[in-house]
Amino acid sequence: AQSVTQLGSHVSVSEGALVLLRCNYSSSVPPYLFWYVQYPNQGLQLLLKYTTGATLVKGINGFEAEFKKSETSFHLTKPSAHMSDAAEYFCAVSGEISNTDKLIFGTGTRLQVFP
Amino acid sequence: GAGVSQSPSNKVTEKGKDVELRCDPISGHTALYWYRQSLGQGLEFLIYFQGNSAPDKSGLPSDRFSAERTGGSVSTLTIQRTQQEDSAVYLCASSLGTSGGIFEQFFGPGTRLTVL
Repeated sequence: AQSVTQLGSHVSVSEGALVLLRCNYSSSVPPYLFWYVQYPNQGLQLLLKYTTGATLVKGINGFEAEFKKSETSFHLTKPSAHMSDAAEYFCAVSGEISNTDKLIFGTGTRLQVFP
Repeated sequence: GAGVSQSPSNKVTEKGKDVELRCDPISGHTALYWYRQSLGQGLEFLIYFQGNSAPDKSGLPSDRFSAERTGGSVSTLTIQRTQQEDSAVYLCASSLGTSGGIFEQFFGPGTRLTVL
């Protein structure tokens, strides 16, 4: 079965610093990988996704992630953090069942940004 | 157009009562998902509907949970004889279809269920 591990339940950075949120996956089939963001009391919003093709994926709000098959990783980065980036971030995988796109989520990483 | 809407936004109930949670997907979206977000279990898949196909119920945690989707649009998640461990935020998502992760799942704001 597919699974996702997010290292670090909390990450704190200063405004302007690099953001790095780690995600490793396990999958017996080529995975589809996603990063979602959740702001307080809101639903999930898709940041970016990898399905096929280019392994470096760019998303909204300046975020990007790189699919590394050899490392089974899909880490999320942003060169310069903004205060508005403070939220919870979820990595997810799908693709094991060909006729559904149900998402298997990691446990989430809460990002704090300090001025 | 409007996004995915869910009602109620908050529900407090007593243990043993039945509850119904409603999801209105984005118009034209054929795929609809229910997920549960809880402190102990994180975000977990519950059930999936796609068009007229039989739903994928593989994520429902017990037979107290059921869901239906009428007319290919609105969905209702029903929890019978609620237990305290059912307390969670129930999220609904919809997408244009299912095709190898191509279609984005749009999430509603969720229903926060508290079982006393």
